[in-house]
Amino acid sequence: KAGVTQTPRYLIKTRGQQVTLSCSPISGHRSVSWYQQTPGQGLQFLFEYFSETQRNKGNFPGRFSGRQFSNSRSEMNVSTLELGDSALYLCASSLEQGARGYEQYFGPGTRLTVT
Amino acid sequence: AQSVTQLGSHVSVSEGALVLLRCNYSSSVPPYLFWYVQYPNQGLQLLLKYTSAATLVKGINGFEAEFKKSETSFHLTKPSAHMSDAAEYFCAVSSPNDYKLSFGAGTTVTVRA
Repeated sequence: KAGVTQTPRYLIKTRGQQVTLSCSPISGHRSVSWYQQTPGQGLQFLFEYFSETQRNKGNFPGRFSGRQFSNSRSEMNVSTLELGDSALYLCASSLEQGARGYEQYFGPGTRLTVT
Repeated sequence: AQSVTQLGSHVSVSEGALVLLRCNYSSSVPPYLFWYVQYPNQGLQLLLKYTSAATLVKGINGFEAEFKKSETSFHLTKPSAHMSDAAEYFCAVSSPNDYKLSFGAGTTVTVRA
């Protein structure tokens, strides 16, 4: 079974631009979560979607948004990019809603660099 | 709210020696606990999880962890380190009705030949 895929793997953007990242979960998984990983802040939860509904959101500004499609694929968007948005963005999928007692399977991440 | 604290941002061990990575959690409800490993330029891979069954949990690659409620700990061990164990390790916590993982700061393991 194919793992979680994320596209693109690497991205370079300029301050003020916007960016869209894509995530395809493992087949059959209906929950998709997004995390931001930086050297300074570590791994931080962005949001979680289940059946096209956002079930939980982390403490990030409104510039960060996401959505989930009927096939469980998910996208996240960051508008008006800032230098501090440079990070590895990780997507994770699971069979049930969020983490709870079930494993989250992570993709390889999208490395975003904002210049 | 749940949180985890990983003691030691960096651990160096000799090949064949015991690997011990420490994790303490804080949770107002019975937690679910996880250990993940991250190799350079890769995502996170689940090593093992605790979900209120056996307190001693065995995972992949020879790792195991013991849940100790009295000490609010979930330390990760491996009896004999291998060069391939060099990576960053993250402890994470979740709980019922919580749709996210809260991660520790991570511990980088280096293995000396």
